[in-house]
Amino acid sequence: DTAVSQTPKYLVTQMGNDKSIKCEQNLGHDTMYWYKQDSKKFLKIMFSYNNKELIINETVPNRFSPKSPDKAHLNLHINSLELGDSAVYFCASSPHRDSGGDTQYFGPGTRLTVL
Amino acid sequence: GENVEQHPSTLSVQEGDSAVIKCTYSDSASNYFPWYKQELGKGPQLIIDIRSNVGEKKDQRIAVTLNKTAKHFSLHITETQPEDSAVYFCAASSRGQNFVFGPGTRLSVLP
Repeated sequence: DTAVSQTPKYLVTQMGNDKSIKCEQNLGHDTMYWYKQDSKKFLKIMFSYNNKELIINETVPNRFSPKSPDKAHLNLHINSLELGDSAVYFCASSPHRDSGGDTQYFGPGTRLTVL
Repeated sequence: GENVEQHPSTLSVQEGDSAVIKCTYSDSASNYFPWYKQELGKGPQLIIDIRSNVGEKKDQRIAVTLNKTAKHFSLHITETQPEDSAVYFCAASSRGQNFVFGPGTRLSVLP
């Protein structure tokens, strides 16, 4: 009965490959997010999706593309992986359409290692 | 845009002592200030939050204070226990704006 779940938990891959990370929330929330946490623990938002519409894209390279088949799922596709993409990626969700001022609930994270 | 600073970056306390973590923000429009705890290998978990119409909020051993004029807010943990050891993040946001997180504080509670 995990609220926000992500798969896989660990992902090890070679440079140049394409990979996906899946996220699902069973909270009935309207908005979902992807965050990147680097080795220094900085948490930075990448994308925000509300009801299948992208509402924020924080200057992330276009090799990263979020895909939302429905409002309970937000998957992250990464093309042509680079060494600098190695990080922990967190999915999160919040109840309402206007994400500002709204509590966000985080998934357990996916540790991506690019060799 | 919003900028959130957080101090200290690391904090060690003896079990039973209090711990205080401070954050400052730059955007006076920010009106929501959550605190998250991240344990090793896990995602951030909300532990307490405060909105700009409130100056202080308490939940058992955890309290948060907000000074809107000075644009700073603080997390207070009393009677610390070893299980309080984690990385703590503050954040600030307002309507229509992203969360902006502070850089985190690694708290170690020594037995």
